[in-house]
Amino acid sequence: NAGVTQTPKFRILKIGQSMTLQCTQDMNHNYMYWYRQDPGMGLKLIYYSVGAGITDKGEVPNGYNVSRSTTEDFPLRLELAAPSQTSVYFCASRTGGNQPQHFGDGTRLSIL
Amino acid sequence: EDQVTQSPEALRLQEGESSSLNCSYTVSGLRGLFWYRQDPGKGPEFLFTLYSAGEEKEKERLKATLTKKESFLHITAPKPEDSATYLCAALVYNYGQNFVFGPGTRLSVLP
Repeated sequence: NAGVTQTPKFRILKIGQSMTLQCTQDMNHNYMYWYRQDPGMGLKLIYYSVGAGITDKGEVPNGYNVSRSTTEDFPLRLELAAPSQTSVYFCASRTGGNQPQHFGDGTRLSIL
Repeated sequence: EDQVTQSPEALRLQEGESSSLNCSYTVSGLRGLFWYRQDPGKGPEFLFTLYSAGEEKEKERLKATLTKKESFLHITAPKPEDSATYLCAALVYNYGQNFVFGPGTRLSVLP
């Protein structure tokens, strides 16, 4: 029972580089989410998906892109990394309705 | 605008010293109020869901309650292993079935 798996756990990028944060879940959940968490702030929604092929913007989507080609995978793409994107990124999934989210353990990203 | 706040920002307790954490929400159409525990370097872990005012849920030393404006997480006789950040989140109708998170309360229980 892996749940939600995120890779990598840590990464340092240079300004202007690009990378993809991977997220996969093995619970057959329809809903998947990407959040960023900054010190003293709540989790901020970047993008979400209600099923394969369907994605939508959250509160802070600028500088990010997502795709959802399968139920299991929901990668987050950073294009032209900026220092403001230094954060901890969490992926989550859930079945839907009033059910809670299940979170991965995060990717800690530093942009220098 | 939907908003969730939490207080205090940080709380230090002695082992056995009971206390409460507050989560206040101003949202349009609450579908559920969720509590999570987050340990350092880990993702949030689900604790409780409360759906309507007056509802209570318990798990070991934790009890969550809900009113029309706020939720409380009561911690009875805490132990050092209860040290963590506690997050609350509101699931709202008008936000694409999404969650609005509070900033969290960082709890430290000293032996």
